[in-house]
Amino acid sequence: DAGVIQSPRHEVTEMGQEVTLRCKPISGHNSLFWYRQTMMRGLELLIYFNNNVPIDDSGMPEDRFSAKMPNASFSTLKIQPSEPRDSAVYFCASSPSTDTQYFGPGTRLTVL
Amino acid sequence: AQSVTQLGSHVSVSEGALVLLRCNYSSSVPPYLFWYVQYPNQGLQLLLKYTSAATLVKGINGFEAEFKKSETSFHLTKPSAHMSDAAEYFCAVSEGTGNQFYFGTGTSLTVIP
Repeated sequence: DAGVIQSPRHEVTEMGQEVTLRCKPISGHNSLFWYRQTMMRGLELLIYFNNNVPIDDSGMPEDRFSAKMPNASFSTLKIQPSEPRDSAVYFCASSPSTDTQYFGPGTRLTVL
Repeated sequence: AQSVTQLGSHVSVSEGALVLLRCNYSSSVPPYLFWYVQYPNQGLQLLLKYTSAATLVKGINGFEAEFKKSETSFHLTKPSAHMSDAAEYFCAVSEGTGNQFYFGTGTSLTVIP
């Protein structure tokens, strides 16, 4: 299995632009999680889905952030408009109907 | 509510010395506990997990952790540190299947040659 796939691996954009991060979970996994990692705040859960349905989005920082999971094999995290403080590494993780989360390699976002 | 506390944001050990990374948790239900490792510029990789079976859990790369309910701890150990063990280590707790994880703030391990 290829593991969790994230794209792009690196994104550099200017303030005000829309940014879309993509995630393909491991086939057969029914839970998907989006995290953000920064030096200041560590690893933060943004949102997670069970069977494509958002369960808890209380970690989404503000309305500029949105996440979708249109099917079991794809999810997006969108930031519109982006701000410099959104610069971070964004991780996607998926989990089968057990307990372990498997992480992708992350997307390093830089907003200038 | 669940939470994890990792004591010591930075730990340095000499190559060949014992590695001990501390993790304490709080949980209102029997917890599932995890240790993940993150190498530079990579995602998190599962080292080991406790899910209510044996209290001493062995993981990859020679690491192990012991679940101590009375101390609400799940410390990570390795008898002899290697240079390749230098990384960030995260402890996490969850209630189990399909539930979110609560991660600690991480411990950065440095191995001195």
